[in-house]
Amino acid sequence: QVQLVQSGAEVKKPGASVKVSCKTSGYIFSNYYMHWVRQAPGQGLEWMGVINPDGAGTTYSQKFQGRVTMTRDTSTSTFYLELRSLKSDDEAVYFCARATRDTYGYNPDLAYWGQGTLVTVSS
Amino acid sequence: QSVLTQPPSASGTPGQRVTISCSGSSSNVGTKYVYWYQQLPGRAPQLLIYDNDQRRPGVPDRFSGAKSGTSASLAISGLRSEDEADYYCAARDDILSGVIFGGGTKLTVL
Repeated sequence: QVQLVQSGAEVKKPGASVKVSCKTSGYIFSNYYMHWVRQAPGQGLEWMGVINPDGAGTTYSQKFQGRVTMTRDTSTSTFYLELRSLKSDDEAVYFCARATRDTYGYNPDLAYWGQGTLVTVSS
Repeated sequence: QSVLTQPPSASGTPGQRVTISCSGSSSNVGTKYVYWYQQLPGRAPQLLIYDNDQRRPGVPDRFSGAKSGTSASLAISGLRSEDEADYYCAARDDILSGVIFGGGTKLTVL
């Protein structure tokens, strides 16, 4: 079965960087795009970007351009989200979410989600 | 402020039918597929509806999606207490060149 297991909670100071991992299993890694979505406390869902695992092409939300990097490691079937220059309003739960189908992975057609990683930003 | 507009709250009594709207524009809902998610407290979102009106396997047929022009809707019939959750619509947007989510609707079962 498809599994997405994310890394544990992080506490960072303002201005620092955080790198969240999403280890996948149960499917062919290179066939499915992976999206990253975050949710601030008590707030709605916010899309951050998507990565094509086959070639690692990325599309980022304009809001995060220049501050975010999405990568993948094919040897460990793991995706990574790095967010730099953290601010207090980056405090959120960060989710990885896999495209449902192996065709056109840019749609928000996301049937499989990680458990979420809480990132706390505090001085 | 979300590009996709949802009512912040909705409510109904058990057995009732409730509809949640998602209003967009020609750059998103009007020309792109709409997706609906249910999020229970403390859990990751769960995909209910894809491609405007297709139910994911395992989703009860009490849930249905529809789209007309630049608006989409999620209907829940035979409301049950376990339907109490937050619901989000999502779509791609040509102008933003990315994915957008609605602000979410908190459904309360009275």
